[in-house]
Amino acid sequence: QKEVEQDPGPLSVPEGAIVSLNCTYSNSAFQYFMWYRQYSRKGPELLMYTYSSGNKEDGRFTAQVDKSSKYISLFIRDSQPSDSATYLCAMREYSSASKIIFGSGTRLSIRP
Amino acid sequence: NAGVTQTPKFQVLKTGQSMTLQCAQDMNHEYMSWYRQDPGMGLRLIHYSVGAGITDQGEVPNGYNVSRSTTEDFPLRLLSAAPSQTSVYFCASSFGTGETGNEKLFFGSGTQLSVL
Repeated sequence: QKEVEQDPGPLSVPEGAIVSLNCTYSNSAFQYFMWYRQYSRKGPELLMYTYSSGNKEDGRFTAQVDKSSKYISLFIRDSQPSDSATYLCAMREYSSASKIIFGSGTRLSIRP
Repeated sequence: NAGVTQTPKFQVLKTGQSMTLQCAQDMNHEYMSWYRQDPGMGLRLIHYSVGAGITDQGEVPNGYNVSRSTTEDFPLRLLSAAPSQTSVYFCASSFGTGETGNEKLFFGSGTQLSVL
């Protein structure tokens, strides 16, 4: 079993919809949780990161962590065609800063 | 400020050939790493370095060597290429150390490698 599981999609929604992207994980020692966005033929770029449980909001993006369920989510409000990309969750243990484990990514398409 | 630069962008090798993927960053980052990305597998860590002269293994190190003689450069060497090493390779760096600050990784644009 992979340490981090992510539905690969593809997920297709109309412009303006609320998008929910999710990851589950098995390692209870994970403390830092990140979301990266990757456009086609480009390297990933960091969208948001959170430490431990709770919510974090940045513009149209909200990251949620539920450590009791080992479940993290990224919500995108008022989705735009420019949000079409692959979204990768990533996480690491508190004591293992050098080893960041990525999910396999969810491909998202926003229809105009 | 170019960020993280990877060369080449594309490469085709025959089984058994060796080659070096180049990675350079101009942000004075201590932490650098190599990932490979395969369909359905996500990004998997190959090797990483927390500073010049210091390297360590990630999840999938077999068949790859690295060295870090300067802060700027972190080349990845394939000693004897195999078809299983066909993948897209990403180099990443961050201002963090081995202890903290690695949440924001800056990635290069990738090298697409095919081994026939």
